[in-house]
Amino acid sequence: DAGVTQSPTHLIKTRGQHVTLRCSPISGHKSVSWYQQVLGQGPQFIFQYYEKEERGRGNFPDRFSARQFPNYSSELNVNALLLGDSALYLCASSLGLAGVTEQFFGPGTRLTVL
Amino acid sequence: AQKVTQAQTEISVVEKEDVTLDCVYETRDTTYYLFWYKQPPSGELVFLIRRNSFDEQNEISGRYSWNFQKSTSSFNFTITASQVVDSAVYFCALSDQLMVGTASKLTFGTGTRLQVTL
Repeated sequence: DAGVTQSPTHLIKTRGQHVTLRCSPISGHKSVSWYQQVLGQGPQFIFQYYEKEERGRGNFPDRFSARQFPNYSSELNVNALLLGDSALYLCASSLGLAGVTEQFFGPGTRLTVL
Repeated sequence: AQKVTQAQTEISVVEKEDVTLDCVYETRDTTYYLFWYKQPPSGELVFLIRRNSFDEQNEISGRYSWNFQKSTSSFNFTITASQVVDSAVYFCALSDQLMVGTASKLTFGTGTRLQVTL
């Protein structure tokens, strides 16, 4: 079975631009979570979606938004990019709401903002 | 607020040595989950173990073992007879009690970079 997939693998943007990152969960998983991992740090929780509804939001500005589609895939959107948004963005899927069931992570999208 | 502390930033060992990675957590919840993840240079987080707060039994899986001590809020991870392939960043994470209908996020520590050399 395929694991969590994310696209693109790498992305370079300039300040002020907008970016969309995509994630496909493991087949049968209904929950998708997004994390930001700045170099040298642990991942920081951004959003969780379950059954296409937002179920949790971390301490990130409104420039960050996400959605989940009927097939449970998800998009993370970041507007008005700042240099500090440069990071590895990780998507994780789980059967149910995260915490009770283990989250399986994708390979991440490395975003560089110049 | 939840917090996970991994005080060891980097550890270097020679192959076949045993190594213990420390994790101390803070939470006000009585029900919570603790995790360890491995992040090799490729970047993908690999799930190693999940423990709920009511299960204090230590666990062994091959060369890996985990020591959960609620009294000291610690969930330490030991690799026995380390190998070069164990070189990675290891993260400890905490997930709070799930409330019906709400999300339960993972709070990660800052990670411990383990370097195993020949």
